[in-house]
Order: sequence, then structure tokens, then C-alpha cells
Amino acid sequence: GAVVSQHPSWVICKSGTSVKIECRSLDFQATTMFWYRQFPKQSLMLMATSNEGSKATYEQGVEKDKFLINHASLTLSTLTVTSAHPEDSSFYICSAVLDRNSYNSPLHFGNGTRLTVT
Amino acid sequence: GESVGLHLPTLSVQEGDNSIINCAYSNSASDYFIWYKQESGKGPQFIIDIRSNMDKRQGQRVTVLLNKTVKHLSLQIAATQPGDSAVYFCAERNMNTGFQKLVFGTGTRLLVSP
Repeated sequence: GAVVSQHPSWVICKSGTSVKIECRSLDFQATTMFWYRQFPKQSLMLMATSNEGSKATYEQGVEKDKFLINHASLTLSTLTVTSAHPEDSSFYICSAVLDRNSYNSPLHFGNGTRLTVT
Repeated sequence: GESVGLHLPTLSVQEGDNSIINCAYSNSASDYFIWYKQESGKGPQFIIDIRSNMDKRQGQRVTVLLNKTVKHLSLQIAATQPGDSAVYFCAERNMNTGFQKLVFGTGTRLLVSP
């Protein structure tokens, strides 16, 4: 079946540094990728929608200058957390879909990246 | 605002029992619902889905029921196994707000005792 890979699976960084998280669709071309954030014991909250070759669409309350998203190819989207602070510590999950407008195009999730900012 | 919520935060069952996890949604325009299983430290795993033109759908050991009248969704797991222990999320999608853009419920933790 379709696989979405995230890298790294976990990362620890110091406050003020930037961290890049990669999301790759391994066996299909993902026209759209979604980035979610999940705090402990909470649900997934959509941060932004990433479309290949265009600017990402951010959800209300998500700082686009802090969470930089690049979707340069049909198999790769990256999320960069700039000037990370401890409150950015969270579980970041991406998902990918071939055809965002089709019910028959399932959404595949990566296994997440645990970010800890010290 | 629109929301998808669950009645029970934690459900504890014995191995072999049937489990029922509930979800209430408030957006009457929601037309597609999905149940996900999330194990610790992993991403959500698709279990089963149902469109709004259906009221029941069955998979292997799982059944999803949709009651649009009361905006209620449930996931039934037959003969629950220890490997079913996880957090279960319902998610809804509304084609009017965006295709694959999902709104997730708060989650229910299922604990299965051997």
C-alpha cells in the first residue's frame, strides 16, 4: 500500500534554532500534503495545506513565517520550524493525497516527528 | 464553531468483548467520516470510512454506524484484542470546506485487558 515517510522521527533542538522535517510519499505522487500538530493527549490540528508548486495555505492562528512549508516536488514536502521555542515542542504529522478532490483518493499519514525544544 | 467530539475519553474492556466508541459531530454538512487508530508515537492509521449516504458499513471485525438524525457516529470492534489498544479518532470532512481537509475529534483511548 501507499507509504508516507517522515524524517526525522524525533529531534531535539535548542531554543532559537530551526528544524526541518521532511515528508515523502514513497510510491505515489502527492499533489497535496497536509501538516498537522498534535500536543500530548490531544487531537490532531491541521496547520497547513501544501500544494506542489504553489504556496501553502495556513490555518487560522498558524504563523506562516514561523512554520515554513515547501512542496517542491510531487513526492516531498518540508516543514521548517524557525526560531523554535519550547512551546513548539509537539508531534508533527504529515499526510499526503494523490487527488485532493476525490473521495476515492485516500489520505495517507506519516508516522510523525517528535520535536522537543530545550 | 463546528466540532467533532467524543463522549468517552477512555474505554476499558476485557479481551474478547465487543467495544463501542462513540463520536458526535455538529456540522450537518459533513458528508464523509473516517475512523483512525493511533498507537503511541505513530501516525493515524485508517480503519474504516463511511459516506453520508450510508448508515452502516462493515469491515473486518469493525463496523461503523452513522446516524445523521442525531449527528452521531460509532465504531464497533468485535472480539477486541490487546492489539486494539490505542487512541481512536473520528474525523469528518465537508466537501464545502475542502475535499481532504479533515476535522478530527478529541479521541478515545481504548484499553484492552487480557
